[in-house]
Amino acid sequence: QVQLVQSGAEVKKPGASVNVSCKASGYTFTSYYMNWVRQAPGQGLEWMAIINPSSGDTSYARKFQGRLTVTRDTSTGVVYMELSSLRSEDTAVYYCARNGRSASCDNWGLGTPVTVSS
Amino acid sequence: QSALTQPPSASGSLGQSVTISCAGTSSDVGNYKYVSWYQQYPGKAPRLILYEVSQRPSGVPDRFSGSKSGNTASLTVSGLQAEDEADYYCSSYAGSNIRVFGGGTKLTVL
Repeated sequence: QVQLVQSGAEVKKPGASVNVSCKASGYTFTSYYMNWVRQAPGQGLEWMAIINPSSGDTSYARKFQGRLTVTRDTSTGVVYMELSSLRSEDTAVYYCARNGRSASCDNWGLGTPVTVSS
Repeated sequence: QSALTQPPSASGSLGQSVTISCAGTSSDVGNYKYVSWYQQYPGKAPRLILYEVSQRPSGVPDRFSGSKSGNTASLTVSGLQAEDEADYYCSSYAGSNIRVFGGGTKLTVL
């Protein structure tokens, strides 16, 4: 069965960077794009980026361009999300979600809480 | 890349039906049939319940249905059950491999 296992919770200071990983298993890693979605406390879902694990091509939400980098390692089946210049508003749970049929997110990781605080 | 517009809350009695709207623009909802809906319980990851406007993944009850007209998509939950009380989010493809989510709707079952 499809599994997306994310790295553990992070606490960062403003201005720092955070790197969250998502290890995929149970399917062919390079056959499905992967999304990153975040959710601030008490708020809704926010789409951040998508990566084609086969080619490494990425697309980012305009809001995060220049501050967000998504990469992958095809040898290990892991996708990485690095967000830099962190501010308090980046405090959120970050999810990886496999891209399914018709641009949907058909399988989700459990989420990685990231807290930005001085 | 603006968020889709959903009502913050909706409610219905056990056994009744409720419809949640999701308003976008001609650049997203109105231009693609790639609208999906997600159910989320507090403290849990979202779960896909509809894709391509009205298609249900395996295991999703047929009480959940979807439609689209112009720039607005809708999710209807029929025969409301207590376990349907959750947050619901719509999402749409917006071109150039971009997706956008709605702000979410909290569904209360009375």
